[in-house]
Order: sequence, then structure tokens, then C-alpha cells
Amino acid sequence: GIQVEQSPPDLILQEGANSTLRCNFSDSVNNLQWFHQNPWGQLINLFYIPSGTKQNGRLSATTVATERYSLLYISSSQTTDSGVYFCAGVNTGGFKTIFGAGTRLFVKA
Amino acid sequence: SAVISQKPSRDICQRGTSLTIQCQVDSQVTMMFWYRQQPGQSLTLIATANQGSEATYESGFVIDKFPISRPNLTFSTLTVSNMSPEDSSIYLCSVGETGPNTEAFFGQGTRLTVV
Repeated sequence: GIQVEQSPPDLILQEGANSTLRCNFSDSVNNLQWFHQNPWGQLINLFYIPSGTKQNGRLSATTVATERYSLLYISSSQTTDSGVYFCAGVNTGGFKTIFGAGTRLFVKA
Repeated sequence: SAVISQKPSRDICQRGTSLTIQCQVDSQVTMMFWYRQQPGQSLTLIATANQGSEATYESGFVIDKFPISRPNLTFSTLTVSNMSPEDSSIYLCSVGETGPNTEAFFGQGTRLTVV
């Protein structure tokens, strides 16, 4: 099966700072996604990004499928960005979504 | 995107009892999945809920402990049986379609505490 590795595991930012989260995945992956889990446990879809670059407000993501990595950029971080960010993917020919261990982000006011 | 309603949102249960979690989708979907998230951990797939047939369980999960039903293409239930404190977790329902370019969506989760 595929392996999904995320870094860093933990990140503390001052409000207003920028950050980059990384996701490395083994084997061929379809359906690469980024999620944010808020403090109440709800999983929020951020990006569906099998390849290329997408932007949504202060967040953007880039996936380079040929090199098997994806990056999530957070600019001008806010306290509400705190939570856990998960990268997840589905192996080619499969249908099960497999999650990385997550990056736990805390943004200080 | 599909709208997924999961009930209950949270519960506190006595050890030895069972809890059934419901997942309702606002449209027909091919694939439904159940995940467990233990405290401080990532999401782990429990099983794929198959419409009209027995669920397909991942390694480490068994039907006697986590029976699953899926009577149609919009509804599924997960039961956590004979609970112990180690079953305290968030349980999440997920839906998706087969094919190379589909996005997975999740319910809001059920936060279970076993005392």
C-alpha cells in the first residue's frame, strides 16, 4: 500500500507568519487531498489536488506527482488556522483514502 | 459535494455496552467508509461499507467488534460493541466514488468516550 509522510509533526507560529507543510507519498497516488481538522474534530476539505497548484485565500497547495510530494502554504497565519492538517491519498487502482500522521499547528496571538 | 450527516455527534457510554452510529448522505454514493481516530492520532480505516453485502474490514478490525450495515446507497451504520475505554475515539464516516479523480468527503464525526 501507499505510505503518506508529513512534516513537520508540530509547528508553532506567531500570528501573521507564513509556513509550508510538506507531504511525501510513496507509489503512485491519485486523489491527493489536504484537510484541516478543527478543535471540535471536524475534518474540513481544503484542497483536492492530484497535481498542479491551487489557491484559496491565504492557503495554497502544490502537488508534484512525478516527484511524489505536495506542499501546503499558509500565509499571514491567524489563530483560527490552529488545528491538525492532514494529507491523504488513494493508491492508483484503489479506492481507500490513506492519511498521513498530520501536522499539528498552533498559531499564537 | 455530498452532504453527510452523522449521529450522534458525541456520546459518553458505559463499558460493556454498544453504540450505533448513523451516517446519512444526501445523494447516492458508491463508496462509504468508516474511520477511527484515537486521541492524538491520525485516521485509520476500519472498513468499507458495501451496499447489500458484508463490509470489508481492514487488518486489526473484526465484524464482531464493529458490525456495519449498509442497506442502501445513502445510509450506513457502525456499531461499536462491548465497549471498553480503549474504544474512546472519534469515529468518522466518509463517502466517495470509484474512479481516478474523485474527492473524499467526511461527516462531522462522533466523539465517543467510554467510562
